[in-house]
Amino acid sequence: AQSVTQLDSHVSVSEGTPVLLRCNYSSSYSPSLFWYVQHPNKGLQLLLKYTSAATLVKGINGFEAEFKKSETSFHLTKPSAHMSDAAEYFCVVRVSSNTGKLIFGQGTTLQVKP
Amino acid sequence: DGGITQSPKYLFRKEGQNVTLSCEQNLNHDAMYWYRQDPGQGLRLIYYSQIVNDFQKGDIAEGYSVSREKKESFPLTVTSAQKNPTAFYLCASSTQNNQPQHFGDGTRLSIL
Repeated sequence: AQSVTQLDSHVSVSEGTPVLLRCNYSSSYSPSLFWYVQHPNKGLQLLLKYTSAATLVKGINGFEAEFKKSETSFHLTKPSAHMSDAAEYFCVVRVSSNTGKLIFGQGTTLQVKP
Repeated sequence: DGGITQSPKYLFRKEGQNVTLSCEQNLNHDAMYWYRQDPGQGLRLIYYSQIVNDFQKGDIAEGYSVSREKKESFPLTVTSAQKNPTAFYLCASSTQNNQPQHFGDGTRLSIL
C-alpha cells in the first residue's frame, strides 16, 4: 500500500537561507509524487510533480525536489527562502492512475523569519 | 480565467441541518474530488467522480452525499448524520486521472 510521511511538522528558516522539507514515501511500484503549497484559508497550489521522468524535478517559485528511489525520499528544497514562502506544504502520492486518488502527508508548516 | 469556484467561503450549520457546498469548474475537467481538511492533518478524500452521472465513495464518505448531473458541477451535501462536520472542505478537478489536481479556495464549515 502507498503512504507518505512528512518528517517535520514545522520548519523555521531565516529569509535568504536554504529550505529543506523532508518527505518519505512507501509504494509497491514506481510512484507519482507531488508537492503542493497552501497559504492560509486557500486551496492547494501545485509546486511540482514527479512522474518517472527526470529524478530532479524543478517547480515554480524556485523550488525543486529530488526523487531518490534507494532512500524512498522526495525532499523539497529551495536555495534561498523568501518571506512569501511561509505556508503549509504537502507531499502527496498518487494511489491509482485509474481513479486519480491521492494520499496526502500531514503537512509541514514553513515559517520564514526576517 | 479558468478555475474552480467554491461557495460560500464560510458556512454555518445548525444541529440537525443539511447544508450543501457548491463546486463549479470551467476547466472542462472530467474528474472532480471533494476533500476534508482538519487542523494539523492532510486532506482526506470524501467522494470523487470520474464522469458525469457517476461517483464513488472515498475514505470518509459517511454523513456526506454528492451528485454529478453536469460536468462542471459537483455539489457536496453535509447531512445531519455527519456528527463532526466542522472542517475546511476543498474541491478539486483534473483532466484525466493521471494528471495533477487543481484546487478551489475551499469552504469553511462551522457548527452553530
